[in-house]
Amino acid sequence: QTVVTQEPSFSVSPGGTVTLTCGLNSGSVSTSNYPSWYQQTPGQAPHTLIYSTNTRSSGVPDRFSGSILGNKAALTITGAQADDESDYYCVLYMGSGIWVFGGGTKLTVL
Amino acid sequence: QVQLVESGGGVVQPGGSLRLSCAASGFTFSNNNMDWVRQAPGKGLEWVAFIYYDESRIFYADSVKGRFTISRDNSRNTLYLQVNSLRVEDTAVYYCVKDRGYAFDMWGQGTMVTVSS
Repeated sequence: QTVVTQEPSFSVSPGGTVTLTCGLNSGSVSTSNYPSWYQQTPGQAPHTLIYSTNTRSSGVPDRFSGSILGNKAALTITGAQADDESDYYCVLYMGSGIWVFGGGTKLTVL
Repeated sequence: QVQLVESGGGVVQPGGSLRLSCAASGFTFSNNNMDWVRQAPGKGLEWVAFIYYDESRIFYADSVKGRFTISRDNSRNTLYLQVNSLRVEDTAVYYCVKDRGYAFDMWGQGTMVTVSS
């Protein structure tokens, strides 16, 4: 069974930089998995940040960036702000029309 | 602007059925692939189903295959999810999502489905 792994929680200081990762329980993440990232605050629908590894969705500030780091997809937030405190989810395309989300990372800015 | 408005959620007993709807506006619905994604209370996101713009391709998560049916009416700009044989573990907010080709693009606000006896 495919499991997409994310750090359960992370903290960053205001103005700091944080990198969240998205891996696979077996194998490496590549651009062929079309990794994408979503931000969700409590009680709200998710909001698309990054798709196709590193393309920012419309209106997303450039302090959010996506990449492949080693064998994982990564979301880097540069110059973290208080309103970046959210849950962040990645999702990977596994082929044959199947998508698998990671369990999400709860980011605290303090 | 893009709007996706889900409806049809509610409380249903195990084994019951519901039909979820998603009214789309602000874009050419008939040209776009669509998905359903759900989120159980306090849990993460789970992709549920995908439908091609012309219904020529449809895919389901294993957890719902054989019980859920995704469909669309392009003349009504509406996406559907027929959910049958509901289980307690199907309790979730169900989001309608505009697909952008290998990514999820715009999300509706969701409709809550509660399966409880």
